[in-house]
Amino acid sequence: DADVTQTPRNRITKTGKRIMLECSQTKGHDRMYWYRQDPGLGLRLIYYSFDVKDINKGEISDGYSVSRQTQAKFSLSLESAIPNQTALYFCATSDLGGRGLYGYTFGSGTRLTVV
Amino acid sequence: GDSVTQMEGPVTLSEEAFLTINCTYTATGYPSLFWYVQYPGEGLQLLLKATKADDKGSNKGFEATYRKETTSFHLEKGSVQVSDSAVYFCALSDISGGTSYGKLTFGQGTILTVHP
Repeated sequence: DADVTQTPRNRITKTGKRIMLECSQTKGHDRMYWYRQDPGLGLRLIYYSFDVKDINKGEISDGYSVSRQTQAKFSLSLESAIPNQTALYFCATSDLGGRGLYGYTFGSGTRLTVV
Repeated sequence: GDSVTQMEGPVTLSEEAFLTINCTYTATGYPSLFWYVQYPGEGLQLLLKATKADDKGSNKGFEATYRKETTSFHLEKGSVQVSDSAVYFCALSDISGGTSYGKLTFGQGTILTVHP
C-alpha cells in the first residue's frame, strides 16, 4: 500500500455540487498538506495541518475547507464546486520537524474536473 | 513572501545531452532547497535537497548547488536519458524566525522531454 493514499483518483462533478477529496497516510507524520497543481503555476498550498487540532489556511483557501479527522486522515472539501477549481490536487505529509529534510511524501493526486 | 522562479519550459533534449534547469529564489530567512520530480501520472518525489550555502545535493546523476550569493539552485545532469522525461519542480522550505512551519513553496515546474 502507498504511504499516502488519495481517493478518488479522478472525479468529474457539476458546478454547485459539494465534493470531498480524501487523504490517508501510514507514515505516522503529524503534518499534512493539501496542494493544488495547475499548468504553469506549480503547486499552491490550500490548507495545512500540524496536528489534529491545528488547521491553517494556505495561499488559496477560498472556496475550500478541510477536516483533520485523525492523525492519519485529512480531507479537502469544495462546498460548491466551480469550473476554475478544475485541477490536480495533491495531499502531502512531512515529519514533525517540518524542514522536510527527509522530503515530503506526496499522494498520487486526484484529478478533479468541474463542468 | 517567499517565492521560487524556474526557467520556462518545455525543455526538449536528445539522449545524452547536458541538462540545466535554472532556479532562483526569494526568501526572507534561510531556506532549505529542494528539487522534486513528477513522472507522468504520478505524485511528486524528492529528487535532491540542500540545507545550507554551498551544499551540493545529488541523486540519480542529477546535481544542484545551494548558491546563497546568487540565490540560486540550478539543476544539472551531464547525460540525460529518455527515462528522465518528467516535470521538475524547484522548491524551498523556510524555517527561520523561530516558527518552523516548513511549508514548501514551489516554482512553476519545467517539463523535460528527452528523445532517443
